[in-house]
Amino acid sequence: EDQVTQSPEALRLQEGESSSLNCSYTVSGLRGLFWYRQDPGKGPEFLFTLYSAGEEKEKERLKATLTKKESFLHITAPKPEDSATYLCAVQVTGSNYKLTFGKGTLLTVNP
Amino acid sequence: NAGVTQTPKFRVLKTGQSMTLLCAQDMNHEYMYWYRQDPGMGLRLIHYSVGEGTTAKGEVPDGYNVSRLKKQNFLLGLESAAPSQTSVYFCASSYSGVGTSGRITSYNEQFFGPGTRLTVL
Repeated sequence: EDQVTQSPEALRLQEGESSSLNCSYTVSGLRGLFWYRQDPGKGPEFLFTLYSAGEEKEKERLKATLTKKESFLHITAPKPEDSATYLCAVQVTGSNYKLTFGKGTLLTVNP
Repeated sequence: NAGVTQTPKFRVLKTGQSMTLLCAQDMNHEYMYWYRQDPGMGLRLIHYSVGEGTTAKGEVPDGYNVSRLKKQNFLLGLESAAPSQTSVYFCASSYSGVGTSGRITSYNEQFFGPGTRLTVL
């Protein structure tokens, strides 16, 4: 069974304190790994897609990396507006449409 | 370009009542999805559609039906609502591109609507 596990469940940072969120996965074959951001009361907002081990993508203070077993979302010098729940999802080969989501990491950045 | 829209935003039902949630997208996406999101459970796929007139079951389809009569719309129906269906429902859509094998596939990201918060009493 395909599984996605995100850690930690919650993370509290001070503004400017860099850290990383983890997404570990167990799948039969990875087609793509997706990162989303979700603000309270809103739908998930797409951030990145990673397709192969070693791939990295950046957007402002966020950088996503991928290995054969996990992905990291690095947050550099976070600001309070980066506070949100970050969701990781995998798309498995042979399953063109289905995304399997992790339960998310709730990030709080204090000023 | 409104993206993915959902109606209604909120709804309260009594057990046994029926309702339909509407999802609309203006991005000409072939694929559309319905998810539910519950505390501690993450997002779970209810039903999905790979094109107009087609639907398929996802991870948690029981108690729900769907229809895709038009490419831009995807409807989720609850025939007899139960308290266990209290949740936040999200619709999403995605583009289907042609992969390196030449077959139509869906590598690309799913775009989500704002959600419908449903309470069943």
